[in-house]
Amino acid sequence: DIQLTQSPSFLSASVGDRVTITCRASQGISSYLAWYQQKPGKAPKLLISAASTLQSGFPSRFSGSGSGTEFTLTISSLQPEDFATYYCQQLHDYPRTFGQGTKVEIK
Amino acid sequence: QVQLVESGGGLVKPGGSVRLSCAASGFTFSNYYMAWIRQAPGKGLEWVSYISNANTYTSYTDSVKGRFTISRDNAKNSLYLQMNSLRADDTAVYYCAREVSGWFDFWGQGTLVTVSS
Repeated sequence: DIQLTQSPSFLSASVGDRVTITCRASQGISSYLAWYQQKPGKAPKLLISAASTLQSGFPSRFSGSGSGTEFTLTISSLQPEDFATYYCQQLHDYPRTFGQGTKVEIK
Repeated sequence: QVQLVESGGGLVKPGGSVRLSCAASGFTFSNYYMAWIRQAPGKGLEWVSYISNANTYTSYTDSVKGRFTISRDNAKNSLYLQMNSLRADDTAVYYCAREVSGWFDFWGQGTLVTVSS
């Protein structure tokens, strides 16, 4: 199975900060990676597909990049509504696997 | 608009069974792969199973193989997960999700399954 490791697992940041979350795959997965945002008590929402395609409804301060084994999710200027847990997911192989999550909290 | 509504969760004894359902609307259900994904309390996301649009292919995570069965009824726009021989570590919120090109673009609100005596 392909393992995904996110770093950091927890991030404390202030409104306006630039935030970067990394997702590393245990083997190359080309650009077959997605990112999700989950707020407490809610279902996850697809944020980015194919490593860098931002989904409609999300602002352009979110961006994704990377290929192969290393990927990043960047929030250029953190806003109050961005405080949530973010997960990466590989779509290269079955079983689909997720990273362990990165919780972004208010500093 | 796309809607996925899960039902069937609840409290189940270890070794027991439960059948989850997911009612889909707002899209042509028979055109899409579907999946179940779970989240144990306070934990991360775990993919459980998927089924192809025409019921041809399925796959399961190792921990549920032989115990869980995914199925669908395209005439009823419904997805199912039959869960047998339940264990405490199956306790989770179970989400159904629509799969597009490998990612999950719409999720239901989830249904909680608690396995406890």
